[in-house]
Amino acid sequence: GENVEQHPSTLSVQEGDSAVIKCTYSDSASNYFPWYKQELGKRPQLIIDIRSNVGEKKDQRIAVTLNKTAKHFSLHITETQPEDSAVYFCAAWDSNYQLIWGAGTKLIIKP
Amino acid sequence: EADIYQTPRYLVIGTGKKITLECSQTMGHDKMYWYQQDPGMELHLIHYSYGVNSTEKGDLSSESTVSRIRTEHFPLTLESARPSHTSQYLCASTEGRGYTFGSGTRLTVV
Repeated sequence: GENVEQHPSTLSVQEGDSAVIKCTYSDSASNYFPWYKQELGKRPQLIIDIRSNVGEKKDQRIAVTLNKTAKHFSLHITETQPEDSAVYFCAAWDSNYQLIWGAGTKLIIKP
Repeated sequence: EADIYQTPRYLVIGTGKKITLECSQTMGHDKMYWYQQDPGMELHLIHYSYGVNSTEKGDLSSESTVSRIRTEHFPLTLESARPSHTSQYLCASTEGRGYTFGSGTRLTVV
């Protein structure tokens, strides 16, 4: 079955700098890769996703890139702001009709 | 408003009690999932369902059961609560691939 690894577990960046979170997956048949943001005390919410027929997708300050050959995908946040502080989860869609989750990255934005 | 609802939001119970956590969605989604999550930590799959009368066990399914008699309703029952069950329980649903999560039930077993 699918296995997803996520790095780093904690990322601290200066406000205004960029943040990059990386994930690798094991099943070459996976074709959908979402990213979720979970603020303290709240539910995880989808912020961006990418399908395997696309290499990059952008939404304002957030972008996701996918390298199918290397089986890894990354979340890029530019011009970070205090409200970007949260735990971010990557996931890959498994052939058993469920998402397989990374372990999460705690993003800390330093003022 | 179409969403997924969990009740109660907070629950404190004694060891050995039987409890049911409620999850309902108004989006008509076939696939539903239960996760256990300590604050800010990994999501652990407990049970899932692909539709009415379909239930499967996840990695963390021991000591709990689920039922799916109606599309919109997917309750989770802990037969005998223990302090190790203290955690947050999240319900999710999807019709395609992106999940919608409920707000969670924060359970404390004393």
